[in-house]
Amino acid sequence: QVRLVESGGGVVQPGESLRLSCATSGFSFSDHDMHWVRQAPGKGLEWVAVISYDGSDKVYADSVRGRFTISRDISKSTLYLQMDSLRVDDTAMYFCARDLYGDHSAPLALWGQGTMVTVSS
Amino acid sequence: SYVLTQPPSVSVAPGQTARISCDGDNVGTQSVHWYQQKAGQAPVVVVYDDTVRPSGIPERLSGSTSGNTATLTISRVEVGDEADYFCQVWDAPSDHWVFGGGTKLTVL
Repeated sequence: QVRLVESGGGVVQPGESLRLSCATSGFSFSDHDMHWVRQAPGKGLEWVAVISYDGSDKVYADSVRGRFTISRDISKSTLYLQMDSLRVDDTAMYFCARDLYGDHSAPLALWGQGTMVTVSS
Repeated sequence: SYVLTQPPSVSVAPGQTARISCDGDNVGTQSVHWYQQKAGQAPVVVVYDDTVRPSGIPERLSGSTSGNTATLTISRVEVGDEADYFCQVWDAPSDHWVFGGGTKLTVL
């Protein structure tokens, strides 16, 4: 069974750091680009970052570039998001997602259930 | 940066047809994907590459594009179709993935 399971969310203060994980199973992790997408409470979806299937390419949304780092451990089939210098407006549910096929125009076909990050003083 | 614009809400009676629009510059030339998100759940892709339905998605849901507008059409709407719907494309010039603001479908 194909699964994505996020963890690592919590409540932190502005300026602090947090590391999210996304454990995957049921598919060949090294064959797919992986994404992080977030959703602030009551708001829409916002794409955060993508990492290529082999980890060689990473692209970030303007809102997080320079503060967040996406990475992957192929040996553990796990995706990560290191979030530094967190701000109140980073408060959101964070989803990891997998593309359907190996092209940037592909849809995000598989999603985890999300992990909540709250940044508050 | 590329922008996709959706109406915040659409309301229809059961059995009627709902049409949710997604406006973007020349969006008809791109691969548009549609996601359904029910309360408290993760998004699910219901139409991809403009018109393709994944297995398990009812034929009542269909997608189309023309010029600057992509449309998700839900025929014979059911109470279970109540959800937020998001369109999405990949913007090649910026290499960013872009979502529309989302449309809340209410079944009256």
